[in-house]
This record gives sequence, C-alpha cells and structure tokens, in this order.
Amino acid sequence: IAGITQAPTSQILAAGRRMTLRCTQDMRHNAMYWYRQDLGLGLRLIHYSNTAGTTGKGEVPDGYSVSRANTDDFPLTLASAVPSQTSVYFCASSDSIRSNTGELFFGEGSRLTVL
Amino acid sequence: GQQLNQSPQSMFIQEGEDVSMNCTSSSIFNTWLWYKQDPGEGPVLLIALYKAGELTSNGRLTAQFGITRKDSFLNISASIPSDVGIYFCAGRQVQGAQKLVFGQGTRLTINP
Repeated sequence: IAGITQAPTSQILAAGRRMTLRCTQDMRHNAMYWYRQDLGLGLRLIHYSNTAGTTGKGEVPDGYSVSRANTDDFPLTLASAVPSQTSVYFCASSDSIRSNTGELFFGEGSRLTVL
Repeated sequence: GQQLNQSPQSMFIQEGEDVSMNCTSSSIFNTWLWYKQDPGEGPVLLIALYKAGELTSNGRLTAQFGITRKDSFLNISASIPSDVGIYFCAGRQVQGAQKLVFGQGTRLTINP
C-alpha cells in the first residue's frame, strides 16, 4: 500500500541521548515535512524539504536536524533529546510540482517520550 | 507562533446534532484545507478550498472559504459516532514557501 512509513511507532529515551525518527514515502512526492503535535497547539512545522538535496526551517526547528539525500527518505534527528521534545511527530509529503492542491499526506506518527 | 485561531477547542455533542467549527487568521491564505485525525493515526484530508467565497460539500460535511480570505468554517450535519476525532484547519499563504499552517484543532466527542 502506497504511502508514508514512520519508525519507530513509539520510543522512550533518556534526556541527552541522540535519536533519529525515520520517514519513507513511496509516492515520489517532491516535498516532505516534519510536524510535532502537542495538546492545545495543533501541528507545528519543524523542518521541511521542497526537493531532494534541500531543506528549510519551519516554525520550531531548534534542537532538530533533517537531511534529504534522496526523494523517498526524510529522517529527523534529535542530537541531544530534552524533555520538552516529548511529543507525537508526524512526517508528511506533498506533490507540489504536479499538483497545486496543497494537500499533505501524513504518516501514522511517532510518539516520543524523553525522560 | 500560530497564525490560525481555531475554535472551539473541544465539543461534546449528542449523536445526530450538527457541528460547526471555524478558523480565523490575521493573514491572507490562498488555500484552506480541513483535516480529520482519528485516534492513533495521522490527519487525513476532508475538504480543500481554493477560491474566496467557495462553498464545498463532501457528504455530510460542508466548508466555506471566507470572502476576506482570512477565515473558513466546517459544518458537519447529523453527526454519527465515527465523526469522533480531532479536526484541523490548515491554510497555505499567498507568499512564502507554500507551507501549510495548522490551527490548534477541535476535538469532537459524541455521546450516543
């Protein structure tokens, strides 16, 4: 089934540890995004990539880094996790070249708890 | 910070009732989207709006793109148990990198 795959589904880690959330899409979408979802704050954009080889900062980029070595993969790395990064993380993609609808397709999320 | 104000934040209704929620912004958007998130899943697109004044329906759902391009509403008629979830509005700004900005979400709970 085509779509976005995120891993892990959930993770508990100690503060200060490094963590990478993986995201893979098989729809050949040019753009990919990472959002975090927190109660009362909705979805906030962390980083995005309009095309392979390029990335940009979103609304809340501090403490996170991303890379886009190819079209399909867009990993999100927390270099040194802190408790305030406890959240549910969603990866999304869109086809902004062939479609102007603005629709994002989301993965099922990765629940991260930092202790 | 957040540029979209979505209200209400939560709703508790009886099955069969109609539901209304809205989003407002201080900025102009050229696209409004409404998403629904079921528990444990990612958001899924319900309705997309592309023109000021546009009114679009999808089954029991109706959404409108405000004339000022700074607001949108979503109505659900005759609610059923599977309507439970979190509803998000999202807007795409005229300028910038074409990224979507999301509202805070409306959590809908339905009593059977």
